[in-house]
Amino acid sequence: GNSVTQMEGPVTLSEEAFLTINCTYTATGYPSLFWYVQYPGEGLQLLLKATKADDKGSNKGFEATYRKETTSFHLEKGSVQVSDSAVYFCALHSGGSNYKLTFGKGTLLTVNP
Amino acid sequence: DAGITQSPRHKVTETGTPVTLRCHQTENHRYMYWYRQDPGHGLRLIHYSYGVKDTDKGEVSDGYSVSRSKTEDFLLTLESATSSQTSVYFCAISDSDRDEQYFGPGTRLTVT
Repeated sequence: GNSVTQMEGPVTLSEEAFLTINCTYTATGYPSLFWYVQYPGEGLQLLLKATKADDKGSNKGFEATYRKETTSFHLEKGSVQVSDSAVYFCALHSGGSNYKLTFGKGTLLTVNP
Repeated sequence: DAGITQSPRHKVTETGTPVTLRCHQTENHRYMYWYRQDPGHGLRLIHYSYGVKDTDKGEVSDGYSVSRSKTEDFLLTLESATSSQTSVYFCAISDSDRDEQYFGPGTRLTVT
């Protein structure tokens, strides 16, 4: 079956530091890959996505590249801000008759000023 | 933001009582989902719907039922609430089976 493994947190960084959150997956076929972000007390928001190999998703300074050869979709940001403090979830969707998103367990990021 | 509301936003109930959570959307999306979020587990799918009156089970469906009589509403019922069902419940919608899903604000349920 499908699965997503992301680095365990919590991750604590200083403002303007470089961020990487690792995500690897197991899936049949050609899944779509997503990063969601959850700010305290809120629901999940889509941060970025990629639908095929070598696609790069980007949004708000965050980037992730769909690497089929390493089955990875690592999230990166060059300079984090305090406002980026949140929980980040990697997810995949294999489509077809399997409608559901498969999520990683989430990584808590705290950015200190 | 996608037009998704959940009600109630918070609820405390006693073990053994039935509970119904409501998800309402204004986007006319075909697919709707119920997830629960628990520490250390991420989000897990409870049930989903691929059209009016068309529903199916997710990975943690025991003790839950759903109904969808209109495109815009998806109800989740805990038939007899247990303490293990204390959780935060999220509704999500999508326009197709490969599109991203949009999430509601969540319902925090406590079963005492």
